[in-house]
Amino acid sequence: DIQMTQSPSSLSASVGDRVTITCRASQGISNYLAWYQQRPGKLPKLLIYAASTLQSGVPSRFSGSGSGTSFTLTISSLQPEDVASYFCQNYNSAPSITFGQGTRLEIK
Amino acid sequence: QVQLVESGGGVVQPGRSLRLSCAASGFTFSTYGMHWVRQAPGKGLEWVAEISDDGNNKKYAESVKGRFTISRDNFDNTLDLQMNSLGPEDTAVYYCAKVLCSGSSCPHRPFDCWGQGSLVTVSS
Repeated sequence: DIQMTQSPSSLSASVGDRVTITCRASQGISNYLAWYQQRPGKLPKLLIYAASTLQSGVPSRFSGSGSGTSFTLTISSLQPEDVASYFCQNYNSAPSITFGQGTRLEIK
Repeated sequence: QVQLVESGGGVVQPGRSLRLSCAASGFTFSTYGMHWVRQAPGKGLEWVAEISDDGNNKKYAESVKGRFTISRDNFDNTLDLQMNSLGPEDTAVYYCAKVLCSGSSCPHRPFDCWGQGSLVTVSS
């Protein structure tokens, strides 16, 4: 199975800060990488797919980059409503669909 | 709009079975692959199973292979997950999820719509 490793596991930042979350795959997955946001008690929400394509309706402060084994999710200016857990996902091919362990983002 | 509504969760004893259902609406169900994903309390997301749009291709995570069966009814627009030989490690919220797009010109299929989740608790 392809392992997805996110870092950090948690972080605290101030409103307006630039925030970056990293996801690494144990083997190359091209750009079959998605990012999801899960607010407390809510459903996961697709933010980005194909490593860098913003899902419809997602604010432009979210962006993604990377290919192969290394990927990043960036929030250009952190907002209070961004408090959530963020998960990366390799969706290359089942049964190798795997999620990262998640990054919990809080406001300082 | 797209809606996925799960049902069938509850408390079940170890070793017993449970069947989850997901009722789909707002899109042409028969043209989209579907998945089940679970999330143990306070934990991350774990992919469980996938079924192709026509129901002929099914794939499972190693952790559930041989115990869980995914199926669909494209006439009733429902997705099911039959769970047998349940253990405490299967305790989780189970989500059904729809892929972003369908067809041969769609290489990228993350999950763009999720059900509200159905809690399964395996406990004696």
